[in-house]
Amino acid sequence: GAVVSQHPSWVICKSGTSVKIECRSLDFQATTMFWYRQFPKQSLMLMATSNEGSKATYEQGVEKDKFLINHASLTLSTLTVTSAHPEDSSFYICSAKMYRDRNTEAFFGQGTRLTVV
Amino acid sequence: DAKTTQPPSMDCAEGRAANLPCNHSTISGNEYVYWYRQIHSQGPQYIIHGLKNNETNEMASLIITEDRKSSTLILPHATLRDTAVYYCIVKTGANNLFFGTGTRLTVIP
Repeated sequence: GAVVSQHPSWVICKSGTSVKIECRSLDFQATTMFWYRQFPKQSLMLMATSNEGSKATYEQGVEKDKFLINHASLTLSTLTVTSAHPEDSSFYICSAKMYRDRNTEAFFGQGTRLTVV
Repeated sequence: DAKTTQPPSMDCAEGRAANLPCNHSTISGNEYVYWYRQIHSQGPQYIIHGLKNNETNEMASLIITEDRKSSTLILPHATLRDTAVYYCIVKTGANNLFFGTGTRLTVIP
């Protein structure tokens, strides 16, 4: 299957600072990328969908000014957690899809574990 | 997207077939059935998807009932590395991938 890489795999930051997570599709061009968040012992929750070159679409309850998403190229999307607080500590996972509307599978990154202290 | 129902947990003996059921009684005609799995602290891994015909790949087989109201994912020879949470998701191509609670499969030596 296609490869999606996230960086970093884990990060610890101080409360009030911002953290950027990168998601790259290594061997295909991703017209659509997705960002999920997963708290311990819970399922993945979709945060937002981003299409290359356009603004991200956020799910209800997700603050767009706190979770900044940029999808500037067909192989890179970034999620910036601004002014992070301990309650933002979570496992953040991205996925990428080649075609927005076709029934093709989405491929996932390995996830980024964020701890805010 | 149609809702899916999966048992919360299952055990399977190593080397035996693991059969994971999924109910999706409200599935519509253009919705596909997707299966993903998530091994602890990793991103989900795509397994297989199908519309109405049975599908098989190197990882698993997907059996969809004729009325499409349920399906079964079959891992033919389960290994310890197949221990994971398995998610059954029903969606159209244009819709996003929303995860339910899945089935936690434990493969026992």
